[in-house]
Amino acid sequence: DVKVTQSSRYLVKRTGEKVFLECVQDMDHENMFWYRQDPGLGLRLIYFSYDVKMKEKGDIPEGYSVSREKKERFSLILESASTNQTSMYLCASSSTQTLYYEQYFGPGTRLTVT
Amino acid sequence: AQSVTQPDIHITVSEGASLELRCNYSYGATPYLFWYVQSPGQGLQLLLKYFSGDTLVQGIKGFEAEFKRSQSSFNLRKPSVHWSDAAEYFCAAGSGGYNKLIFGAGTRLAVHP
Repeated sequence: DVKVTQSSRYLVKRTGEKVFLECVQDMDHENMFWYRQDPGLGLRLIYFSYDVKMKEKGDIPEGYSVSREKKERFSLILESASTNQTSMYLCASSSTQTLYYEQYFGPGTRLTVT
Repeated sequence: AQSVTQPDIHITVSEGASLELRCNYSYGATPYLFWYVQSPGQGLQLLLKYFSGDTLVQGIKGFEAEFKRSQSSFNLRKPSVHWSDAAEYFCAAGSGGYNKLIFGAGTRLAVHP
């Protein structure tokens, strides 16, 4: 089974702190994604990566950056956390070997910025 | 613009009753379609997917969905709901490159005993 893990389930940070969210997948997937989930808004794509060191902005990239130095790991970085970044963050991965765009999700990190 | 709409934010059903969750999409061509379920505090789990062929697809946990091109819909159904089905359900669609998906806002299902 595909496994996607995220470094923390719950995280509390202060305004202005630099925050790192880590995601690791064990299925050698080419594509990795970061979403944020807010009530009534569903999942919104922040960034995605289709290969090591390659990244593309999603729908809401402002205030975020990403890093993908190894194929299995995709990090989301909040350079200076703000209270409006309090949210659930979900990581996902998918393979380019399938035609069906199926994504596999991690358990999520609930980030609170105070 | 491409979009996925789930018209119902909250739905409450009694245990044993049938369920239908609605999903409509707006795409230039027929996209790949998915239903995911999210239990409280968990990530998303794939219930089923449609990409071509038979318009009625079966998924896990007794769920099925029907693709209707004429209505741009992909509604999720279950004949008899169990209390453990209480969760949030997301419809998603994908096309184009990089396996990107667009998600609906979700429908939260409550099940009364």
